[in-house]
Amino acid sequence: QKEVEQNSGPLSVPEGAIASLNCTYSDRGSQSFFWYRQYSGKSPELIMSIYSNGDKEDGRFTAQLNKASQYVSLLIRDSQPSDSATYLCAVAGSSNTGKLIFGQGTTLQVKP
Amino acid sequence: NAGVTQTPKFQVLKTGQSMTLQCAQDMNHNSMYWYRQDPGMGLRLIYYSASEGTTDKGEVPNGYNVSRLNKREFSLRLESAAPSQTSVYFCASSLGATGANVLTFGAGSRLTVL
Repeated sequence: QKEVEQNSGPLSVPEGAIASLNCTYSDRGSQSFFWYRQYSGKSPELIMSIYSNGDKEDGRFTAQLNKASQYVSLLIRDSQPSDSATYLCAVAGSSNTGKLIFGQGTTLQVKP
Repeated sequence: NAGVTQTPKFQVLKTGQSMTLQCAQDMNHNSMYWYRQDPGMGLRLIYYSASEGTTDKGEVPNGYNVSRLNKREFSLRLESAAPSQTSVYFCASSLGATGANVLTFGAGSRLTVL
C-alpha cells in the first residue's frame, strides 16, 4: 500500500461546478498536509496547507482534514478552466524530518 | 529573487555515463530535497538534507548520491546512468526540517537516458 493515495483521474467537471479531490494516507502520526497544483510541464506550487481536523478555506479552495479516517480532501468552488491541472496531495509523516510524501496526483479537467 | 535554481534543464545521457544535477537556493532555507517525477507516479523523494552537513535517503535512493556542498547548494549525482533513471527531477527547499514547512520547487530537470 502506498503511503499517500489519490485517484489519478482524470476528474472532469463543467465550469462553475465544485471539484472534489480526495487523498488518503497510511501514517497515523502524520501532522501536516498539503495540496500542490502542477500545470503541465511546470513545477508544483503550494495552494493549501492544513494541520488540524476540520475545514480550512482560502478563496475558492477549501481543504478538509479528518485524521481519524486518515483522509484529506480539497474542494474547488466555481471551477474555472484555469484550474485544469494535476493536484498533488502531500503528507509530512510522523518522523518530523520535514520530508513530504506525495500521492500520484489527480488530473482535473474543467470544461467551458 | 531567483528562489530555487536547477541546472541543467535538459540532458540526454547514454547508459553508463555519469552526471551531476546542480541545485541552489537563495532563500536562506535550511532543508533541501531531490524528487523525481514519472508519469502516474507523483513525486518520489530520492534524498534530502535536513540541514547543512546532513543527508538522508528517501523513498528511491538507489543509483544516486548527493552532496550538500553548503547551505545554498545540494547536488544529485548519477554515477552510472540507467534507462530507468529517465525522469523529471525536481529540487526543492524549505525553511526548516519540521513538517509544517512549505516546499519551494525549482523548475525541474528533464533527463533522458538512452
